[in-house]
Amino acid sequence: DGGITQSPKYLFRKEGQNVTLSCEQNLNHDAMYWYRQDPGQGLRLIYYSQIVNDFQKGDIAEGYSVSREKKESFPLTVTSAQKNPTAFYLCATGTGGRSNQPQHFGDGTRLSIL
Amino acid sequence: GQQVMQIPQYQHVQEGEDFTTYCNSSTTLSNIQWYKQRPGGHPVFLIQLVKSGEVKKQKRLTFQFGEAKKNSSLHITATQTTDVGTYFCAGRGSSNTGKLIFGQGTTLQVKP
Repeated sequence: DGGITQSPKYLFRKEGQNVTLSCEQNLNHDAMYWYRQDPGQGLRLIYYSQIVNDFQKGDIAEGYSVSREKKESFPLTVTSAQKNPTAFYLCATGTGGRSNQPQHFGDGTRLSIL
Repeated sequence: GQQVMQIPQYQHVQEGEDFTTYCNSSTTLSNIQWYKQRPGGHPVFLIQLVKSGEVKKQKRLTFQFGEAKKNSSLHITATQTTDVGTYFCAGRGSSNTGKLIFGQGTTLQVKP
């Protein structure tokens, strides 16, 4: 969706390396989300943040870390503890809370192991 | 925890045939959303259903929300090659986190 920028589009990780995926938004949305997509498994929530300086673990947070120092930015670090990082990573934003508004997605980052 | 199951996982149809995907939740949902992801793309919001028994239409697409608010369906009439992609349902529970629980998706292939 326009207004959400994920970079890079493709990323390669070496063994034992941490890598950081960027997600920036100019939609002024309070909530931001990170999903992992594997073939045939839909979207699985890694971390989410409803407000600056606060975030919660999703269903598959192990091996990942995030920060939310600015409303516009929600970077995801894939640490060396994540043994199977190859996947398509999607960042999304929304108005959060009890809002019924939809989530808006970036174009994603494809991460592979070298 | 809350789960949303979606079937079938894959569907191949001839252009002009109808297509339906079904979504079932283990718990009552406050609302359900449907998204479409084209090959190589990202999910794009299609519609949201909120009321028990609600039916909404978008041209050839018909969306239903079950009476118990635990299941939903998407039906496409007379498929076209532009309908190709993966269709996801996503349910929102009663918590105030804004979290969505996504189904596994149904990938639709349309043969011309």
